[in-house]
Amino acid sequence: AQSVTQLGSHVSVSEGALVLLRCNYSSSVPPYLFWYVQYPNQGLQLLLKYTTGATLVKGINGFEAEFKKSETSFHLTKPSAHMSDAAEYFCAVSFNFGNEKLTFGTGTRLTIIP
Amino acid sequence: DTGVSQNPRHKITKRGQNVTFRCDPISEHNRLYWYRQTLGQGPEFLTYFQNEAQLEKSRLLSDRFSAERPKGSFSTLEIQRTEQGDSAMYLCASSPSRLAGAYTGELFFGEGSRLTVL
Repeated sequence: AQSVTQLGSHVSVSEGALVLLRCNYSSSVPPYLFWYVQYPNQGLQLLLKYTTGATLVKGINGFEAEFKKSETSFHLTKPSAHMSDAAEYFCAVSFNFGNEKLTFGTGTRLTIIP
Repeated sequence: DTGVSQNPRHKITKRGQNVTFRCDPISEHNRLYWYRQTLGQGPEFLTYFQNEAQLEKSRLLSDRFSAERPKGSFSTLEIQRTEQGDSAMYLCASSPSRLAGAYTGELFFGEGSRLTVL
């Protein structure tokens, strides 16, 4: 069965520092990978996705992620953290593009230290 | 606001009571999904509709749960004889079908309906 593991339920970084949120997946077939962000009292919002093609994908708000098949990873990064990045981030996987029955990770809460 | 709308946003009920949540998707989206999110967990898939047809149900959706989308527009999720374990955030999402020109693979989520069972 497909699964997603997010390492670190809480991550704290200083403002201006690199953000790295880790996501690993388990799959026997090529996955489609997503990162969603959830701000307090708001719905989940898509940050970026990988379906096919270029393995380095860029998303909104300066985030990007790289699909590494050999490592079964899809880590999310941002070069310089901003206070507004404080939120919960979810990695998700689908194995059937066109049927978005997503399997989500448990989430990583990102705190930005002023 | 043309986003996904969920009502009520919060519901507190006593064990054994029935509750119903409503979801209004983005109007041109023919796919509608229900997820459940408990504290410290990511969203878990419950069921999804394409138009009025319910195409898949998770094993998480016990016989006390029923979801409908009678006219292919809004959807309701009813929980009968609520239990304390049903306390969670119930999320609704919508998307266009893959054949639609606007399809991107993205799910558009509502803000959720939080259920507390006492």
